[in-house]
Amino acid sequence: DSGVTQTPKHLITATGQRVTLRCSPRSGDLSVYWYQQSLDQGLQFLIQYYNGEERAKGNILERFSAQQFPDLHSELNLSSLELGDSALYFCASSVVAGQPTGELFFGEGSRLTVL
Amino acid sequence: GDSVTQMEGPVTLSEEAFLTINCTYTATGYPSLFWYVQYPGEGLQLLLKATKADDKGSNKGFEATYRKETTSFHLEKGSVQVSDSAVYFCALSYNQGGKLIFGQGTELSVKP
Repeated sequence: DSGVTQTPKHLITATGQRVTLRCSPRSGDLSVYWYQQSLDQGLQFLIQYYNGEERAKGNILERFSAQQFPDLHSELNLSSLELGDSALYFCASSVVAGQPTGELFFGEGSRLTVL
Repeated sequence: GDSVTQMEGPVTLSEEAFLTINCTYTATGYPSLFWYVQYPGEGLQLLLKATKADDKGSNKGFEATYRKETTSFHLEKGSVQVSDSAVYFCALSYNQGGKLIFGQGTELSVKP
């Protein structure tokens, strides 16, 4: 158990809909990362937050947005969903300040299926 | 830009065989290098890491050496077990606590 919790584990929805994925980082971790894993694209970095502020942005579509709340949990919002958005979405967390180790701790992922 | 390239899978081996999974990287600076493993139905977990050239990371019988001259970080294990069946990801990161850039992943299947 990595200590990172993601909900829901599975989600099935239709094209054009909007969903929200939630992530609770490990206790004490200030940084949250979102990754998308698909068969054709592999593991793609989407976005990173550190203590509530956006820290780095990757290949995140404009239809997607994220935020990190004061209690450090994070949400990834996916809107106007397309078939190609079907993927496994991972959240990871790390300690950025204090004793950074370079290690990210991953949740078990949220599997999104768009029909 | 920075990138990581791994050998394509799936790799199928018999138990106790020697494993090598090749990983090369392209980087503008001097990154730290990682191997992560993803067991079926689980998230990724760190297997080993190396933070500078010539460092060797090792864990659970796996090892990899950071080779700056060949920009490589190949994963090796002398004798694989069925329980090693998983997907292995090579990755790089520039700063402590920063984002990881992953390779495509290599699926390993070990048969009894």
